[in-house]
Amino acid sequence: GDSVTQMEGPVTLSEEAFLTINCTYTATGYPSLFWYVQYPGEGLQLLLKATKADDKGSNKGFEATYRKETTSFHLEKGSVQVSDSAVYFCALTDFGNEKLTFGTGTRLTIIP
Amino acid sequence: EAGVAQSPRYKIIEKRQSVAFWCNPISGHATLYWYQQILGQGPKLLIQFQNNGVVDDSQLPKDRFSAERLKGVDSTLKIQPAKLEDSAVYLCASSPSGVSTDTQYFGPGTRLTVL
Repeated sequence: GDSVTQMEGPVTLSEEAFLTINCTYTATGYPSLFWYVQYPGEGLQLLLKATKADDKGSNKGFEATYRKETTSFHLEKGSVQVSDSAVYFCALTDFGNEKLTFGTGTRLTIIP
Repeated sequence: EAGVAQSPRYKIIEKRQSVAFWCNPISGHATLYWYQQILGQGPKLLIQFQNNGVVDDSQLPKDRFSAERLKGVDSTLKIQPAKLEDSAVYLCASSPSGVSTDTQYFGPGTRLTVL
């Protein structure tokens, strides 16, 4: 079945550091890939998505590229801010199977 | 545009009691999902509705959990009787048409504690 493997956390970085959170997936069909973020005290919200191979999703300075050859969708940001502190979830849906399959989440803390 | 609404936000019950959660999706969204998020894990699907029909309830513990979506809009999720391991956040999400490329929009969740 479908699955998502996400970089173990927690991750602590200094402000303005470069961020990478690794995500790899296994899917039987044609997956769409998502990054969701959960800020403290708030609900899950979509950060970015990509629906086909080589697509790049981007939002709020974050980027992730759908790499079919390596089955990966790594999240990157060039310069993190304190306000980026949150839990980040990589997830997928599959063609004909619309439920989201999530990774375990990565807690990111940015220190000033 | 109003988001997904859920109530209550928090609930504390004793084991073997019953509890119900309510969800109002984004207006016009055909597909509604209930997910269970146990602390430290990613959310897992319990049930998916398309309009008022069930698409996937394969992970719903049907001996204790039930859900309905009346008139293809609001939905309720019920647990009866609750067990300690049901302590989790219950998330409702909706999407416009339920295709795999759709974005799912999540409500704030209901945090359930079973004592």
